[in-house]
Amino acid sequence: AQKITQTQPGMFVQEKEAVTLDCTYDTSDQSYGLFWYKQPSSGEMIFLIYQGSYDEQNATEGRYSLNFQKARKSANLVISASQLGDSAMYFCAMGKAAGNKLTFGGGTRVLVKP
Amino acid sequence: ETGVTQTPRHLVMGMTNKKSLKCEQHLGHNAMYWYKQSAKKPLELMFVYSLEERVENNSVPSRFSPECPNSSHLFLHLHTLQPEDSALYLCASSQGYSASGDSLDTDTQYFGPGTRLTVL
Repeated sequence: AQKITQTQPGMFVQEKEAVTLDCTYDTSDQSYGLFWYKQPSSGEMIFLIYQGSYDEQNATEGRYSLNFQKARKSANLVISASQLGDSAMYFCAMGKAAGNKLTFGGGTRVLVKP
Repeated sequence: ETGVTQTPRHLVMGMTNKKSLKCEQHLGHNAMYWYKQSAKKPLELMFVYSLEERVENNSVPSRFSPECPNSSHLFLHLHTLQPEDSALYLCASSQGYSASGDSLDTDTQYFGPGTRLTVL
């Protein structure tokens, strides 16, 4: 079975600073994908970034980067130059290459302060 | 319309009512999903449809009945719900659904805005 752990229930970050959101996972699968989603108060789950287990380079998408450490089974999200609109819940998720079912972590609430 | 849409956005219903949630994806995807998000619980997968065929049912009570008439539309029919069924119901779609594991990649799922359901 797969498990995702996000140990930070909530955090504050100053506008324009970088923030790192922790995510650790547990799986016995060789092929899997790691995702980060953003959920504003409106409810929609917005896809941010994806890292495949066989990707050797860390994924980056604009201000988002994923710090993938396979041996440690961690997939931390780094948001650079935080903006007020980054205030939201952030979810780490894992999917198996077979079946495409996602397992979500409990989420981290980020509040960006001006 | 673009992406994944869901209607209604908010729904209040009594335990004896029958209602339906609708999801539509405009991405040309072949797989669609229903998730339930309760307060203080991780997102839970309910159903998966691939090419209009149900491929996953995650031990969901029969008072939730999904329907996928075509690859663009997904419904969740609700009847005789309980107050503990109050939650945000999210629909998602992805390009494909690989049951055989013949790909190293996991298809990204794109979500709709959700329907916030309250059962009185």
